[in-house]
Amino acid sequence: GAGVSQTPSNKVTEKGKYVELRCDPISGHTALYWYRQSLGQGPEFLIYFQGTGAADDSGLPNDRFFAVRPEGSVSTLKIQRTERGDSAVYLCASSLVGGRTEAFFGQGTRLTVV
Amino acid sequence: QQQVKQSPQSLIVQKGGIPIINCAYENTAFDYFPWYQQFPGKGPALLIAIRPDVSEKKEGRFTISFNKSAKQFSLHIMDSQPGDSATYFCAASLEYGNKLVFGAGTILRVKS
Repeated sequence: GAGVSQTPSNKVTEKGKYVELRCDPISGHTALYWYRQSLGQGPEFLIYFQGTGAADDSGLPNDRFFAVRPEGSVSTLKIQRTERGDSAVYLCASSLVGGRTEAFFGQGTRLTVV
Repeated sequence: QQQVKQSPQSLIVQKGGIPIINCAYENTAFDYFPWYQQFPGKGPALLIAIRPDVSEKKEGRFTISFNKSAKQFSLHIMDSQPGDSATYFCAASLEYGNKLVFGAGTILRVKS
């Protein structure tokens, strides 16, 4: 596709449930990033993939959060035992290569935990 | 720990005015400073970026001023238009990788 695609656009889930958020990066982009944006705040870094491997996962808040990118393209962010505090917009970005190349963001997935 | 501090939180200007948004950073290892524009329901879009080896960069109506010794940088929007009304984020990243640290954002409203 022309841009970074994220699905679903919106997700409402009950506290304690498991959710998966999908990111389809721009074709050919080897670097992929996940960010979380809480209401009224700037995005916060979660994890960075270079190819299939997680090069930096220092932003994942705890072990309920996990992300994969098995074939170096599509990535899935997985959240177990969701909590109300996980409610936020989850943004995905991709860039041609990691490091000083423009990162293009998707429109985000708005997650609401009720 | 917040590493990039952005001000003001919100800003209202008249059409044609020059809004100025300021950011300050702590980590002297940062070497890439982009500004992003975000409209409601959309992801952030890169507006303009600067490296610390220059003090100013202009692209169209947007200008970044950079003060390395003060660890501050700012965005100026010349001849602002109602269509510029959006949230603006400054950010910074280290030399390697594109892990961005964002400011808290400035909500800009340009009145027609």
